[in-house]
Amino acid sequence: GENVEQHPSTLSVQEGDSAVIKCTYSDSASNYFPWYKQELGKGPQLIIDIRSNVGEKKDQRIAVTLNKTAKHFSLHITETQPEDSAVYFCAGRHIMRFGAGTRLTVKP
Amino acid sequence: DAGVIQSPRHEVTEMGQEVTLRCKPISGHNSLFWYRQTMMRGLELLIYFNNNVPIDDSGMPEDRFSAKMPNASFSTLKIQPSEPRDSAVYFCASSSRDSPNYGYTFGSGTRLTVV
Repeated sequence: GENVEQHPSTLSVQEGDSAVIKCTYSDSASNYFPWYKQELGKGPQLIIDIRSNVGEKKDQRIAVTLNKTAKHFSLHITETQPEDSAVYFCAGRHIMRFGAGTRLTVKP
Repeated sequence: DAGVIQSPRHEVTEMGQEVTLRCKPISGHNSLFWYRQTMMRGLELLIYFNNNVPIDDSGMPEDRFSAKMPNASFSTLKIQPSEPRDSAVYFCASSSRDSPNYGYTFGSGTRLTVV
């Protein structure tokens, strides 16, 4: 099956700084690359995704970039706020298997 | 839409008892997934259904676990008999292959504690 790996496992930033989380995948046939955010006591929620025919997608303060050659995609959060603190997951497309998650802490 | 609805939110049971978790997917979604989340193993896919038919149950840990989807609006995950190591948060998610983003919508989860 497909392997999905995330880095780092934990990330701590100051409010206002940027945060970047990277996900590598093994299946070269993957064509859909989502990021999910999980807040305490809730289920994961899709926050942004990208398809393999584009290299970057932005939605306000978050963006996802894709490098199909290197088989990785990254989540970028700019101007971080305390409410961005959560666990973030990337997923492999083929029957979504999730990475181990990155715990982001934004310090006020 | 009310989203994916799971019940109960919390379940505490004694070892050896039968546990049934329930899920109502989003209307119109034709794929349903059961996940288990623990600190040690993260989010594990247990089983998924397409059009009410189980497609891949390779993630189901043991024969003690079973899942059914009798119709498009309801699914159950049953553990019989339950064991302390089954303690986890169980999530149900649904999606539509016809959706342009293929994203999954998760329920709020059932926190299971087996004592």
